[in-house]
Amino acid sequence: GAVVSQHPSRVICKSGTSVKIECRSLDFQATTMFWYRQFPKQSLMLMATSNEGSKATYEQGVEKDKFLINHASLTLSTLTVTSAHPEDSSFYICSAAIQGDQPQHFGDGTRLSIL
Amino acid sequence: RKEVEQDPGPFNVPEGATVAFNCTYSNSASQSFFWYRQDCRKEPKLLMSVYSSGNEDGRFTAQLNRASQYISLLIRDSKLSDSATYLCVVVPGAGSYQLTFGKGTKLSVIP
Repeated sequence: GAVVSQHPSRVICKSGTSVKIECRSLDFQATTMFWYRQFPKQSLMLMATSNEGSKATYEQGVEKDKFLINHASLTLSTLTVTSAHPEDSSFYICSAAIQGDQPQHFGDGTRLSIL
Repeated sequence: RKEVEQDPGPFNVPEGATVAFNCTYSNSASQSFFWYRQDCRKEPKLLMSVYSSGNEDGRFTAQLNRASQYISLLIRDSKLSDSATYLCVVVPGAGSYQLTFGKGTKLSVIP
């Protein structure tokens, strides 16, 4: 089956640090990748949708300058949380699809803790 | 009204019990529906799609009522390994795969 790898799985860092999370589709080419965030006891919320070679489309309320998304190849998308603060602590999950209207395959998630 | 609403639970049931989860969605134009399972601190995994005619996969039965904008999941003969959070997921429109997740219903199956 389709495999999506997300790295790192756990990050603990100081406030003000920028953190990069990678999402890779290992055995298929993903035209579209999605980034979600999940706070404790909350539902997964879509942050942004990225298509390879294009700028990401951000959901309302998500700061594009704070959450930088790069989808430079068909197998890799990165999310960089710039100048992270404690309120950015969350579970970040990516998913990848061959195309936007195809089933999504989820990565393992990254648990981010900002001290 | 939230886009996808679920009873958060927790549902604590003994092994072998039958348990049902409900979900309502607000967008009447929604096209696709799914149940996902999420274990603690893990990514969500697709459990099953939900079709208008209702569908069954082993011990799991999913039903959709478009008129009432209501989705259900029935688990029969609960196993300890069924303990997880069950997420109701809706896709808002045709040609899109933007998933809208409910908060999830937590199930604990007790020995």
